[in-house]
Amino acid sequence: NAGVMQNPRHLVRRRGQEARLRCSPMKGHSHVYWYRQLPEEGLKFMVYLQKENIIDESGMPKERFSAEFPKEGPSILRIQQVVRGDSAAYFCASSPRIAGVSTDTQYFGPGTRLTVL
Amino acid sequence: DQQVKQNSPSLSVQEGRISILNCDYTNSMFDYFLWYKKYPAEGPTFLISISSIKDKNEDGRFTVFLNKSAKHLSLHIVPSQPGDSAVYFCAASGNSGNTPLVFGKGTRLSVIA
Repeated sequence: NAGVMQNPRHLVRRRGQEARLRCSPMKGHSHVYWYRQLPEEGLKFMVYLQKENIIDESGMPKERFSAEFPKEGPSILRIQQVVRGDSAAYFCASSPRIAGVSTDTQYFGPGTRLTVL
Repeated sequence: DQQVKQNSPSLSVQEGRISILNCDYTNSMFDYFLWYKKYPAEGPTFLISISSIKDKNEDGRFTVFLNKSAKHLSLHIVPSQPGDSAVYFCAASGNSGNTPLVFGKGTRLSVIA
């Protein structure tokens, strides 16, 4: 199975705690995107990363949120001091960005559902 | 400011008939459009895409039409099957897909047997 993996699938945190969400891209994919979906809404872009680089973080809240995609291991979305408004489904997508291919499709993982009590 | 709009929150279609899901966009820099299907508690599944250099792309029962002058695209599913019941998201991107996707709010399709 070469799909995008996310864990945990469900995460419960109390206000003020930290949440760590992990994403392993599809094999051969070097680009990772994080999106957030609030209830009854579409997915909203948060951050786009390449190995060891943040390419675009224009959708990330300025405080408490950070993301990384290290040379080895999964991409991590970290939310510090969570608040109730952070409760949402967080989806990771990956793409191959193959040189010479004119278009690029993002493939999504199953998501992590974060609930803040 | 919603750059990608799906104005129908829901749609019901009889099994065997055609389902038509619509999507409008405002940003003329978008040049790559995708449709994703999503079941509850799962991630979006890629269905079909279209580049702005085309006006139609077909894959089995799914066809996407793009009208650039109207900034409108549609997804046709024919014949519709009960397993097609899901939420369908339209998404758009610039630079041939090499930028983050902008999603509509989705249309919930119910195919009635």
